[in-house]
Amino acid sequence: GQNIDQPTEMTATEGAIVQINCTYQTSGFNGLFWYQQHAGEAPTFLSYNVLDGLEEKGRFSSFLSRSKGYSYLLLKELQMKDSASYLCAVTGNYGQNFVFGPGTRLSVLP
Amino acid sequence: NAGVTQTPKFRVLKTGQSMTLLCAQDMNHEYMYWYRQDPGMGLRLIHYSVGEGTTAKGEVPDGYNVSRLKKQNFLLGLESAAPSQTSVYFCASSSTLQTVETQYFGPGTRLLVL
Repeated sequence: GQNIDQPTEMTATEGAIVQINCTYQTSGFNGLFWYQQHAGEAPTFLSYNVLDGLEEKGRFSSFLSRSKGYSYLLLKELQMKDSASYLCAVTGNYGQNFVFGPGTRLSVLP
Repeated sequence: NAGVTQTPKFRVLKTGQSMTLLCAQDMNHEYMYWYRQDPGMGLRLIHYSVGEGTTAKGEVPDGYNVSRLKKQNFLLGLESAAPSQTSVYFCASSSTLQTVETQYFGPGTRLLVL
């Protein structure tokens, strides 16, 4: 089976740094994606990790540890527009499916 | 280039009614997917297709049927709608193996079953 866990909600202040964690237990693993989803909109791609380590993309970075079944998304210099849900998704051995976590709703306060 | 489009955007059904949701993509993608999203449960895969004429079951297929008669279209059918099918439905597509390509999502269809 597959189980993906994320915190339900987080709050942070504009200009700060926030780390959103994702833990997973899957029968097979190939890669991990992070998506951003604003309320009432479709998810949009943020990052993809297949190897252990940190991937940096501007203000957003994503880390993966395959041995620990753990990833995090790091958002720096938070802006009000970063208020959204952040979805972690795992793909299995044969790339058959994306399995999504429940999402973390981030609120950025002034 | 419209990407992934979904029709309709919003629909209200009575229990027992049927309907078809249409997904279209203009990126020549092989893979297409239907998800439902419910509060606190994330996105759950209903059915997917790895190419024209092929379909497969996902995590929550019961109560839904799909067809992929043309490469660019993926239809999701509800034969007899139930209140438990009230949800937001997202279609997505990807070019090749999901493991190396991200999925592109449509804007969603909000379905209310009374």
